[in-house]
Amino acid sequence: SQTIHQWPATLVQPVGSPLSLECTVEGTSNPNLYWYRQAAGRGLQLLFYSVGIGQISSEVPQNLSASRPQDRQFILSSKKLLLSDSGFYLCAWGQGEDTEAFFGQGTRLTVV
Amino acid sequence: DAKTTQPNSMESNEEEPVHLPCNHSTISGTDYIHWYRQLPSQGPEYVIHGLTSNVNNRMASLAIAEDRKSSTLILHRATLRDAAVYYCISRRQGAQKLVFGQGTRLTINP
Repeated sequence: SQTIHQWPATLVQPVGSPLSLECTVEGTSNPNLYWYRQAAGRGLQLLFYSVGIGQISSEVPQNLSASRPQDRQFILSSKKLLLSDSGFYLCAWGQGEDTEAFFGQGTRLTVV
Repeated sequence: DAKTTQPNSMESNEEEPVHLPCNHSTISGTDYIHWYRQLPSQGPEYVIHGLTSNVNNRMASLAIAEDRKSSTLILHRATLRDAAVYYCISRRQGAQKLVFGQGTRLTINP
């Protein structure tokens, strides 16, 4: 069966520090991969999505970047975190518009 | 993807049916209608999806209007665990993005 792993569950980072969040998927191949952010009390904002290795589409200009070095690995990074980067980060995978998407458990990031 | 419109919030009672509406008046013939829900402090979970016909699964039913400009998610017998934000999403054929709107916050009263 397919599973999605996302870590860490919680993270507290100082302003200006780098960030690396990793997401891996098991049990499927060539998935579409997604990174979302949810600020406190707000909706889900699509940050990046990828349809294949090395293919990244950015939805929102910001100081975050994403990479997909392997088929089932999706990484969210930042060189210097801002206070406004705090939020709940979610990774998801799916196979197409007529199938369901599956979400990881999320990382709650607090930038202090 | 077609824009969807949902009420900001709804309230219902435990063990009663809940009908969550969604308008998608600009939907095209090949757009799928998806529903997800997000429980507090968790990622969204898939509920149901459909194209033209009504759909049923163990979680809910999806009733799609004949003109497809609206749909209704039906929880047949709400429990306290159904309290969540419910998202209605229209996904175009071939579209790779999955974009969420604001959703409907459902409160279930004991």
